[in-house]
Amino acid sequence: LAKTTQPISMDSYEGQEVNITCSHNNIATNDYITWYQQFPSQGPRFIIQGYKTKVTNEVASLFIPADRKSSTLSLPRVSLSDTAVYYCLVGGYSSASKIIFGSGTRLSIRP
Amino acid sequence: DSGVTQTPKHLITATGQRVTLRCSPRSGDLSVYWYQQSLDQGLQFLIQYYNGEERAKGNILERFSAQQFPDLHSELNLSSLELGDSALYFCASSFRTSGSQETQYFGPGTRLLVL
Repeated sequence: LAKTTQPISMDSYEGQEVNITCSHNNIATNDYITWYQQFPSQGPRFIIQGYKTKVTNEVASLFIPADRKSSTLSLPRVSLSDTAVYYCLVGGYSSASKIIFGSGTRLSIRP
Repeated sequence: DSGVTQTPKHLITATGQRVTLRCSPRSGDLSVYWYQQSLDQGLQFLIQYYNGEERAKGNILERFSAQQFPDLHSELNLSSLELGDSALYFCASSFRTSGSQETQYFGPGTRLLVL
């Protein structure tokens, strides 16, 4: 059961690159790392998922070192609309595993 | 729009009562997940169903129960409600469940207020 640790909050400015790191020291071999974004009173939305090295899509990049004990979500050139809570989720969906989102990181973007 | 629908959007009830929340997954998705989110709290995983069968259980109280029907929609039943049960309840769906991690698509949630 991989517990995750993220910063509680982060602040940045429009146009900056934001990196949010998640620690998951006891990640299992079959576990993937997934990041979700949640706006107030809305359901979380999938951002990106990876297993190792680097993954990039149109929204973000995910960097995972070789030991996979941490991961970093990178948001390029953030805007005010990126203000949200970001959750790192690690684990599989086998019947023996639980799904733990953790407290997330509250990202605030200023003009 | 994720394709997951939840009804009702809002629900106000009294302590001791019982309510049913409904979720329709995305077309083709076989798994349904239920989550509880209290004010300014993280998401608490409650339970997962896959193709009608319970697949994984989280921090679900004995007063709560769920099921997934043959048409794959799911219902979460909350009984003997307490003030502390007031929260946003989210449903999510995914195509399947396997050893790898499935992307979940979340519904808009049901806001429950227990008075």
